[in-house]
Amino acid sequence: NAGVTQTPKFQVLKTGQSMTLQCAQDMNHEYMSWYRQDPGMGLRLIHYSVGAGITDQGEVPNGYNVSRSTTEDFPLRLLSAAPSQTSVYFCASIGTGNYGYTFGSGTRLTVV
Amino acid sequence: SQQGEEDPQALSIQEGENATMNCSYKTSINNLQWYRQNSGRGLVHLILIRSNEREKHSGRLRVTLDTSKKSSSLLITASRAADTASYFCATDDSSYKLIFGSGTRLLVRP
Repeated sequence: NAGVTQTPKFQVLKTGQSMTLQCAQDMNHEYMSWYRQDPGMGLRLIHYSVGAGITDQGEVPNGYNVSRSTTEDFPLRLLSAAPSQTSVYFCASIGTGNYGYTFGSGTRLTVV
Repeated sequence: SQQGEEDPQALSIQEGENATMNCSYKTSINNLQWYRQNSGRGLVHLILIRSNEREKHSGRLRVTLDTSKKSSSLLITASRAADTASYFCATDDSSYKLIFGSGTRLLVRP
C-alpha cells in the first residue's frame, strides 16, 4: 500500500494564479481531509469529505474548493492564490472503525 | 480557532529522562488522539483514548484523559534521541473531523 500520496511536494505560485493540490489514497478510506499548517502552529482543517460526492467546510475554507468524485481522490483547488495561503498542506484519510488518520507527506506551497 | 492548547510549547530533556506533555481542550469530545511530526514530514498517529477511558498505554507511551478538566497528558518514558519531534493532540466529536492543538516541540539531547 502506498498510503496517502500528495503531489506536488513543493510549489511556488504567483498571486492570482490557480492550482490543484492532488491527494490520493489506496486504502479504501471513506473519510478524507485537507489541513494547512503554518509555522509553529498546529493543523487547521480546510475541507473534509465523508465519502464520494460528499464534502463540507472546515475551520478555514475560504479561497479553497474541493470535490470527491471517487473514494480514492480528494483534490484541493486554490482559486486565486494569495500570499496568506503560503503554508504546508496535508491530506489525510481514515476508514470507519480505524483508530487514527493516515497523513500524506505534505505539499509546501509558497505564494509570491 | 484551535480546540487544543498544549503545554509546554517546547521541552528539552536528556536522553533517558521522561517527557510529559499536556493538552487542554474546550468542547465535548468523542476521542482524543496524539500524533508525532518529525521535522518537515507528515503526522504519524501514536495513540487514541476514548472519552470513557482514563488511561492508556502503548509501549513507552502513557496517555491520561480527564474529561472533567478537559485535559490530557502524554508521557514518553525513557526518551531517546529519535523521539525528537513535535507532538500534537487532536480531538474529534464523533464526526471524524479532527481539531488539533498547537503542539509541543520535544528535543531529546543525546
